[in-house]
Amino acid sequence: NAGVTQTPKFQVLKTGQSMTLQCAQDMNHEYMSWYRQDPGMGLRLIHYSVGAGITDQGEVPNGYNVSRSTTEDFPLRLLSAAPSQTSVYFCASSSIGTANNSPLHFGNGTRLTVT
Amino acid sequence: GQNIDQPTEMTATEGAIVQINCTYQTSGFNGLFWYQQHAGEAPTFLSYNVLDGLEEKGRFSSFLSRSKGYSYLLLKELQMKDSASYLCVPTDSWGKLQFGAGTQVVVTP
Repeated sequence: NAGVTQTPKFQVLKTGQSMTLQCAQDMNHEYMSWYRQDPGMGLRLIHYSVGAGITDQGEVPNGYNVSRSTTEDFPLRLLSAAPSQTSVYFCASSSIGTANNSPLHFGNGTRLTVT
Repeated sequence: GQNIDQPTEMTATEGAIVQINCTYQTSGFNGLFWYQQHAGEAPTFLSYNVLDGLEEKGRFSSFLSRSKGYSYLLLKELQMKDSASYLCVPTDSWGKLQFGAGTQVVVTP
């Protein structure tokens, strides 16, 4: 199993550009989520999904959209990139959600710089 | 609301023992994860405690006291590869995780 796969690993955008960060998992996990990690801060939840066709906002959703058309894929879209979105983005999944002690499996991250 | 308190950094010698303490205030507390994160890499799961007491996994052990809002991660026989950030992550009954900034452990020869 590949686990959680994120692409791209690195990306540089200009302010105002849009792009999609890809995330795919092959563990048949129902729960998927996107976090951002900034220096000296903990991971912050952007959006999450508890199954195909269901998404919800996390702690810092503004400027980002998600969709979940299949169990495997959970892309994150930046609508109009801003320098404040410079960060490391992690996609994570778990089998039935963390309320039932199912740990998150993280992708390797996407390092995004917005100039 | 949720609040996590763990030391910012700890330094220890190879072969030694280090204990990372974590106190938390979590509404509707359910359980607590510990994750390890090496620089430039993704967090990886270490342990999960839901009941009071000690869970041992090889060189790593994790303890939880629900009544005190307290947990610790014990790293024994430290190795250079243990140099990493350790994240104390309480969860609530809705499955919401709260990630703090973590404790950076530096292992010296």
